[in-house]
Amino acid sequence: DIQMTQSPSFLSASVGDRVTITCQASQDIDTFLNWFQQKPGKAPKLLIHDASKLQTGVPSRFSGGGSGTDFTFTISSLQPEDFATYYCQQYDTLLTFGGGTKVEIK
Amino acid sequence: EVQLVESGGVLVQPGGSLRLSCAATGFPFSRYEMNWVRQAPGKGLEWISYISSSSSTIFYSDSVKGRFTISRDNAKNSLYLQMNSLRAEDTAVYYCARTSRLDSWGQGTLVTVSS
Repeated sequence: DIQMTQSPSFLSASVGDRVTITCQASQDIDTFLNWFQQKPGKAPKLLIHDASKLQTGVPSRFSGGGSGTDFTFTISSLQPEDFATYYCQQYDTLLTFGGGTKVEIK
Repeated sequence: EVQLVESGGVLVQPGGSLRLSCAATGFPFSRYEMNWVRQAPGKGLEWISYISSSSSTIFYSDSVKGRFTISRDNAKNSLYLQMNSLRAEDTAVYYCARTSRLDSWGQGTLVTVSS
């Protein structure tokens, strides 16, 4: 099974900050990686697919990069509505999620 | 507009059974692969099952293999999850989600396994 290691698990930041989350796969997954945002009591929302492609309707302050085993997710300028938990997920072989990163207000 | 609506979540005793449903509207359901994903209270997301558009290919996570069965009825635009031999650790919100990209999700249905 492919394991996804996401870090950090918790992040404290201020509005306007640049935020970066990393995700490492236990084996090569090419670019079969998605990033999701989840707010309390809500379903996850797809933000980035295929490692770097912005889902339709998602603001351009969100971006993703990487391939193979190492991936990054960046929010260029954190907005109040961005405080949430973020997950990476691979779909190269079955599906596996990272452990999540909770982004809280500093 | 794509819409997925789960139903069937209730309180059930350990060892019991339950069938979840996911009703799909707003897209050609029969052309899309589907998944079930769950989230235990206060925990992260866990993929549990996949079914191809024609039901010809099915996968399960190790945590539910042999106990849960995924199925679909393309004529009714519906996805199902039959859950048997339920355990306390199956307590979670269960989501249906479209494709391996998980590009659309339902609102989830809560399954509580407790005596």
